[in-house]
Amino acid sequence: ETGVTQTPRHLVMGMTNKKSLKCEQHLGHNAMYWYKQSAKKPLELMFVYNFKEQTENNSVPSRFSPECPNSSHLFLHLHTLQPEDSALYLCASSPILAGVSYGETQYFGPGTRLLVL
Amino acid sequence: AQTVTQSQPEMSVQEAETVTLSCTYDTSESDYYLFWYKQPPSRQMILVIRQEAYKQQNATENRFSVNFQKAAKSFSLKISDSQLGDAAMYFCAYRSADHNNDMRFGAGTRLTVKP
Repeated sequence: ETGVTQTPRHLVMGMTNKKSLKCEQHLGHNAMYWYKQSAKKPLELMFVYNFKEQTENNSVPSRFSPECPNSSHLFLHLHTLQPEDSALYLCASSPILAGVSYGETQYFGPGTRLLVL
Repeated sequence: AQTVTQSQPEMSVQEAETVTLSCTYDTSESDYYLFWYKQPPSRQMILVIRQEAYKQQNATENRFSVNFQKAAKSFSLKISDSQLGDAAMYFCAYRSADHNNDMRFGAGTRLTVKP
């Protein structure tokens, strides 16, 4: 596969469940991102990883736990979510050139549609 | 805080015509990057065009061009010779050159292309 892939594409979970979203990029990038896309709200950046290191958490609740074992894989572990967490979760990656990724194009995956009951 | 505003929730254009999508942003920074992303109904977001704030020349990419007005903090997207495949949600985005985690998107403009 090429580009950025995400699994599963759809997920329904109860508030007491634990699940994980997976993202994989085949582009040789060193920066990876998690975004939340809710209906009628702007896309929200959740987490940024550069060279497997999380740079900052954008005030995301602790029920969302990211993991980046290597530059190609990114996970988002979910536990005790709330119904308002239902959204499309997008993963993206970008190259890091000259030590920074700010201006680089981000390549997005197709997203995981999450429904929390 | 940097905000990105897209004042047109929906726009419509006739095939082969030209349409302009507006975007304004608020920032106190002098160095940053601006992007237009497209999200078709299949939902995979793809880059349309990007602009470096330190460059005065407007970016162009085939039928897509921007009008970047730094003083006015405006970054509009012009689509020429619109095609049916241009129908999508278009998001304007801002990324700080100083803060890695600061990337903000507008709420999006839904573009419909009429045959």
